[in-house]
Amino acid sequence: DQQVKQNSPSLSVQEGRISILNCDYTNSMFDYFLWYKKYPAEGPTFLISISSIKDKNEDGRFTVFLNKSAKHLSLHIVPSQPGDSAVYFCAASGGSNYKLTFGKGTLLTVNP
Amino acid sequence: ETGVTQTPRHLVMGMTNKKSLKCEQHLGHNAMYWYKQSAKKPLELMFVYNFKEQTENNSVPSRFSPECPNSSHLFLHLHTLQPEDSALYLCASSQGARVGLNEKLFFGSGTQLSVL
Repeated sequence: DQQVKQNSPSLSVQEGRISILNCDYTNSMFDYFLWYKKYPAEGPTFLISISSIKDKNEDGRFTVFLNKSAKHLSLHIVPSQPGDSAVYFCAASGGSNYKLTFGKGTLLTVNP
Repeated sequence: ETGVTQTPRHLVMGMTNKKSLKCEQHLGHNAMYWYKQSAKKPLELMFVYNFKEQTENNSVPSRFSPECPNSSHLFLHLHTLQPEDSALYLCASSQGARVGLNEKLFFGSGTQLSVL
């Protein structure tokens, strides 16, 4: 049973516009949420994270929003750039073992 | 340079072959991981080692055999694999084993494995 779900396998956005990537989770014990970015032929790299005690964390063009009651988080990228084109993985940890549980990923394509 | 190096980058093997994947981290971390990424599936945690000791085996078939001789090196020995084992195998490391807000995973580039 998937505890972290990214229901959109792909997203296409125009350069300069906002990209919104969504993630849902089912395990109420998760208290840390992370986004990783993966380019082809490379391993995932950490992008941004948020603790469950916050509802927003911002780092430059990237902002993560957390809605605990809905068990939903989203990653906003604004403005989107062609170099942002990659697969974005949502991940969560917490509960008894603090191992990362990943979603399937969303392929973001930013068109020039 | 990510600090986590995996070799080989690509591997093609038959079902009767024996091969090994190698991972080395230069970050001084204490925990190392093997993940599997299959097409259209989430990254699946396979094994966790903390201070060279295996702390987690996520119900992985015995045809996958990990080895961690020290905190900097991790191997995945493969034998009698099946075609469905074809996937990207990712190694990762972290300072401590409780990954969360202040503890991040650092990944290698992966080994793309094809089993014929």
